[in-house]
Amino acid sequence: QSALTQPASVSGSPGQSITISCTGTSSDVGGYNYVSWYQQHPGKAPKLMIYEVSNRPSGVSNRFSGSKSGNTASLTISGLQAEDEADYYCSSYTSSSFFGTGTKVTVL
Amino acid sequence: QVQLVQSGAEVKKPGASVKVSCKASGYTFTSYYMHWVRQAPGQGLEWMGIINPSGGSTSYAQKFQGRVTMTRDTSTSTVYMELSSLRSEDTAVYYCARERPIAVALDYWGQGTLVTVSS
Repeated sequence: QSALTQPASVSGSPGQSITISCTGTSSDVGGYNYVSWYQQHPGKAPKLMIYEVSNRPSGVSNRFSGSKSGNTASLTISGLQAEDEADYYCSSYTSSSFFGTGTKVTVL
Repeated sequence: QVQLVQSGAEVKKPGASVKVSCKASGYTFTSYYMHWVRQAPGQGLEWMGIINPSGGSTSYAQKFQGRVTMTRDTSTSTVYMELSSLRSEDTAVYYCARERPIAVALDYWGQGTLVTVSS
């Protein structure tokens, strides 16, 4: 099973923007617009932040945005805040692993 | 409001089975697929499988084929995940999560159930 590849960690200062990448293949990320992103704080259940590459569920801050280019999807967090410090996972249903490897976001 | 309430923590011995429940409320149970996801301590999310509460059809991750069974009870709006032949590596938090239609995204999650496998 090949997982979707994410950087292990990304960090930024409050107010900055950061981008998390999610690299798959033409059979998953590149072939379909079924990419979603999840935020998980320690000890909590994951929370859906982005679905269908770039759509935000109701209630999710517009500081979170998603995009895709080729086989790589990206999650951008603008105006970074302390509460954004968490683990983030991408997901593509057609990927054999479903979820990415996960990225720990640290707010400096 | 949509709620997924899971059963409580379990401690099992190696070789035993565990059955985790997930009771749904606040929406039409049979209209949304349900997924099961687990997370070992300090590790990432691992997809286990999906069940269609309407007809009961299932699809499991290859890793769990032969060891996992997902079922549902429409009379109580509850889905179940049973994992057999437990080993220490199955120690994890198990989550149920509802699938948002068409988008194949998991929009509501249960609170998680810790399953500890230890002799």
